[in-house]
Amino acid sequence: GAVVSQHPSWVICKSGTSVKIECRSLDFQATTMFWYRQFPKQSLMLMATSNEGSKATYEQGVEKDKFLINHASLTLSTLTVTSAHPEDSSFYICSASSGGSYNEQFFGPGTRLTVL
Amino acid sequence: AQSVTQLGSHVSVSEGALVLLRCNYSSSVPPYLFWYVQYPNQGLQLLLKYTTGATLVKGINGFEAEFKKSETSFHLTKPSAHMSDAAEYFCAVSADPSNYQLIWGAGTKLIIKP
Repeated sequence: GAVVSQHPSWVICKSGTSVKIECRSLDFQATTMFWYRQFPKQSLMLMATSNEGSKATYEQGVEKDKFLINHASLTLSTLTVTSAHPEDSSFYICSASSGGSYNEQFFGPGTRLTVL
Repeated sequence: AQSVTQLGSHVSVSEGALVLLRCNYSSSVPPYLFWYVQYPNQGLQLLLKYTTGATLVKGINGFEAEFKKSETSFHLTKPSAHMSDAAEYFCAVSADPSNYQLIWGAGTKLIIKP
């Protein structure tokens, strides 16, 4: 149980285009989803937290107009990188929580974004 | 504010030797503590967690960790390292029950020598 999927697993795009990454909880309802960014050989950097049906809460320094997050249902959240540039190239990981009392997050396999 | 410190960005052990990855935390309230493992180009997989109860927690792949409140530590151990254990390990703490955010350590890369 507690499986989270991400799609696509990797994507290459041209500079200036937008890219959408999907995060799905396959066997549970995710009341809260998180989006992380991970730079090579570094820890996870939390970008934003989203609750179903509400606007995402962005961490300081994360451009909300650049990284659009939509948590439309209890099983789906999307991250759209708008007008992507090479510096947006990174590994993006989502996680989901079912709201259990132990704050456990279940992680997706990640999406490797490369912007040319 | 909560924080997590993982001592050693890289730890190298021989196959069959003891694995010890250190994690210290600061928290003003009893925390929930987690260890995650990340294999190259993959997401994170939960190894084990401490919430309440027994302070020695057993996880997957033969790993275990002990919550020591007096030392504010949650070190991860495995008696005998295997080549397949080579990965990045992250310690995380959650101390705010009102949200589900985790505070992450910087990670420790475990290297297994044949």
